[in-house]
Amino acid sequence: DAGITQSPRHKVTETGTPVTLRCHQTENHRYMYWYRQDPGHGLRLIHYSYGVKDTDKGEVSDGYSVSRSKTEDFLLTLESATSSQTSVYFCAISARDRPAVLFGPGTRLTVT
Amino acid sequence: AQTVTQSQPEMSVQEAETVTLSCTYDTSESDYYLFWYKQPPSRQMILVIRQEAYKQQNATENRFSVNFQKAAKSFSLKISDSQLGDAAMYFCAYRSVGTSGTYKYIFGTGTRLKVLA
Repeated sequence: DAGITQSPRHKVTETGTPVTLRCHQTENHRYMYWYRQDPGHGLRLIHYSYGVKDTDKGEVSDGYSVSRSKTEDFLLTLESATSSQTSVYFCAISARDRPAVLFGPGTRLTVT
Repeated sequence: AQTVTQSQPEMSVQEAETVTLSCTYDTSESDYYLFWYKQPPSRQMILVIRQEAYKQQNATENRFSVNFQKAAKSFSLKISDSQLGDAAMYFCAYRSVGTSGTYKYIFGTGTRLKVLA
């Protein structure tokens, strides 16, 4: 969806290095989410935001932090990447009057 | 906590035939939304259909329809006249209302649909 972009789209990094993934939206939606997708696990919620500077943990938040200083940007940081964080990461957005969540194109992260 | 279960990791269907993908969920909420998303090899997540829990009528979108059984907490997706382009991973999802009116989306583990020519 052109209203949501993620950067980078692909990244290879080494264990122990910090990594930041960026999600940018042009829809002015209030809610933003970070999910990871792994085979056999579907999509699991890492963190979400319900407004600028308002964030909360999802089911797999250990090892991840987030920040949202502007409505349009939601950053996901891996403070010290581990091989278990190799995954495809999706950003998503939603609004109160638009119940379906919209997804970004995804970022494939490989931690070696 | 709400959960979503897709018990069929993989399904196959002959082109032009009909297939049904199963989804069950667990919740104590009375009002919620349910969705089916499609993920083709391109990896893009695409909304297929949505259902509002307070609506009795099952949602339909062209060849896609749902069988929503609220009491049984079941939400299956029927694809009629299957096409090669329907081959994808399908995810069932539930939108819950959390504290402070926040929304969270919970996904099942997915069903991979193969369409045979």
